[in-house]
Amino acid sequence: EPEVTQTPSHQVTQMGQEVILRCVPISNHLYFYWYRQILGQKVEFLVSFYNNEISEKSEIFDDQFSVERPDGSNFTLKIRSTKLEDSAMYFCASSAKEETQYFGPGTRLLVL
Amino acid sequence: QKEVEQDPGPLSVPEGAIVSLNCTYSNSAFQYFMWYRQYSRKGPELLMYTYSSGNKEDGRFTAQVDKSSKYISLFIRDSQPSDSATYLCAMRRGLTGGGNKLTFGTGTQLKVEL
Repeated sequence: EPEVTQTPSHQVTQMGQEVILRCVPISNHLYFYWYRQILGQKVEFLVSFYNNEISEKSEIFDDQFSVERPDGSNFTLKIRSTKLEDSAMYFCASSAKEETQYFGPGTRLLVL
Repeated sequence: QKEVEQDPGPLSVPEGAIVSLNCTYSNSAFQYFMWYRQYSRKGPELLMYTYSSGNKEDGRFTAQVDKSSKYISLFIRDSQPSDSATYLCAMRRGLTGGGNKLTFGTGTQLKVEL
């Protein structure tokens, strides 16, 4: 069964450093998303991406964040200058249409 | 008032019990309702997907949506220890007017004991 994959599974970085989180969505899906979950809190929407552009973003998704689909398979989230409060689990999701979203296993980001 | 409210639990039941999990919401624009299961430190796994009011059954799982009360439920019959997880409700607005982001509840932690 096709699934969303994410790398790395864990990432530790120093405050102020840039990180890139990578995702490979399900191959025939057209809509891509990033969510995050701070430990003990609910899953929060960050951004959705369709047809090579951002279709919606949350207040969390400020100028330090960016997304890109550099090729036909990868979907990346870049955090330019990480802060302590960026420590969270980051989930990528994809959907064939604007309906059911399938989530990857997540990348646990720890900012020191 | 939070957009989506969900009792965090924990909820502990004996094996074989019927489990009822619930969410309430305040945004009447929500049209699509989902239940996800999340094991510890894993990604959410889609269990059920429903549109508007009504019931949907899939094996041991039944999802109910009551839009008039802004209330959704997930029932698990013949619960098993492997059902022990956190159950997240999620919802989104209709396709018209844009917006396909999911809004999640906080999740209910369920433990099914032998």
